[in-house]
Amino acid sequence: KNEVEQSPQNLTAQEGEFITINCSYSVGISALHWLQQHPGGGIVSLFMLSSGKKKHGRLIATINIQEKHSSLHITASHPRDSAVYICAPNFGNEKLTFGTGTRLTIIP
Amino acid sequence: DARVTQTPRHKVTEMGQEVTMRCQPILGHNTVFWYRQTMMQGLELLAYFRNRAPLDDSGMPKDRFSAEMPDATLATLKIQPSEPRDSAVYFCASGLGLSYEQYFGPGTRLTVT
Repeated sequence: KNEVEQSPQNLTAQEGEFITINCSYSVGISALHWLQQHPGGGIVSLFMLSSGKKKHGRLIATINIQEKHSSLHITASHPRDSAVYICAPNFGNEKLTFGTGTRLTIIP
Repeated sequence: DARVTQTPRHKVTEMGQEVTMRCQPILGHNTVFWYRQTMMQGLELLAYFRNRAPLDDSGMPKDRFSAEMPDATLATLKIQPSEPRDSAVYFCASGLGLSYEQYFGPGTRLTVT
């Protein structure tokens, strides 16, 4: 069965802190997406990766295929980073399976 | 600035009425997805198309939902008859296929009373 687990479910941190959100999945995948959903509801694709590491500004995504695990890191967190972050693996087809999301709140 | 557009953005309707949601994918994208988001279930895939052909609609209740792509610039999702449990936000996304990221539209918030 294709399963996705994210942790933590909720995370509150002070501005400037280093943030890590974790995603584990049950079986082999072809790729994994990290999505950001803002309080207004819009969804933005942050990363799509199938191996190694990607970086966009203060965001870093890593994936370990052998351990079936991916992490999303935010350096120097800012209140505008407050959002829900969703991990979504591709289990060998084009259909994304979504994690339950991590609600991140950054306090000024 | 290419983006996926969806109409309407909000829809309130009574149980039993037909609802049609529309999506314009990004020009050049050949894969279109329909997702539904609820508080209870989170995000889930309803259907997706490649080059206008339906590839998978196993996530849709077949008796009341239908999805089509009349042309490359328009995807539609219809619910007939609508029920209160269909209340959700419906997102359309487009992309270039398996190895590419998906671009999401702003969503249609549907409320069925």
